[in-house]
Amino acid sequence: DVKVTQSSRYLVKRTGEKVFLECVQDMDHENMFWYRQDPGLGLRLIYFSYDVKMKEKGDIPEGYSVSREKKERFSLILESASTNQTSMYLCASSPHRDRGRWIGSYEQYFGPGTRLTVT
Amino acid sequence: SQKIEQNSEALNIQEGKTATLTCNYTNYSPAYLQWYRQDPGRGPVFLLLIRENEKEKRKERLKVTFDTTLKQSLFHITASQPADSATYLCAPSSGANNLFFGTGTRLTVIP
Repeated sequence: DVKVTQSSRYLVKRTGEKVFLECVQDMDHENMFWYRQDPGLGLRLIYFSYDVKMKEKGDIPEGYSVSREKKERFSLILESASTNQTSMYLCASSPHRDRGRWIGSYEQYFGPGTRLTVT
Repeated sequence: SQKIEQNSEALNIQEGKTATLTCNYTNYSPAYLQWYRQDPGRGPVFLLLIRENEKEKRKERLKVTFDTTLKQSLFHITASQPADSATYLCAPSSGANNLFFGTGTRLTVIP
């Protein structure tokens, strides 16, 4: 079974703090993703990566950065946390079978989520 | 901009009946459409993927249709069970870098 793990289930940080959210997958997937999920807005893509050291902006990258130094690990960084970044953060990974980059053509495997509260 | 609408926030049905969930999209033409299940406090779980040239796809008690003319996908669960109670998300994708999720329909199957 594919397993995607996230470093914390719950996190409370103060405004202005630098926040690191870590995600690890154990299935040798090429693609990894970071989403946030808010009531009434659904899942929104922040960033994704299709290879080590590669990244692409999603729909809402402002205020976030990412790092992928190893294939199995994808980190989301909030450089200076703000209250509007209070949300559920979900990491996902997907296989990359035919080397194409159309992310919608592959199923995604999600982690359990990190509920981040910024006060 | 792209818009995805899932027919209702909540749907209640009796055990044993067929549940039908609707996903409508506007302002784009997805080539793929995925459906996920999400339980409270957990990440979504992939269920089915359908391509634009496929009219219908089945997996056990699940069936998905994709009508590119109506810009709509229907998700059916036959012989529904209380264990099917969850939120179901649709996610159409039209380009290399996008996969947009709907806000979901919360299904409750009443014993």
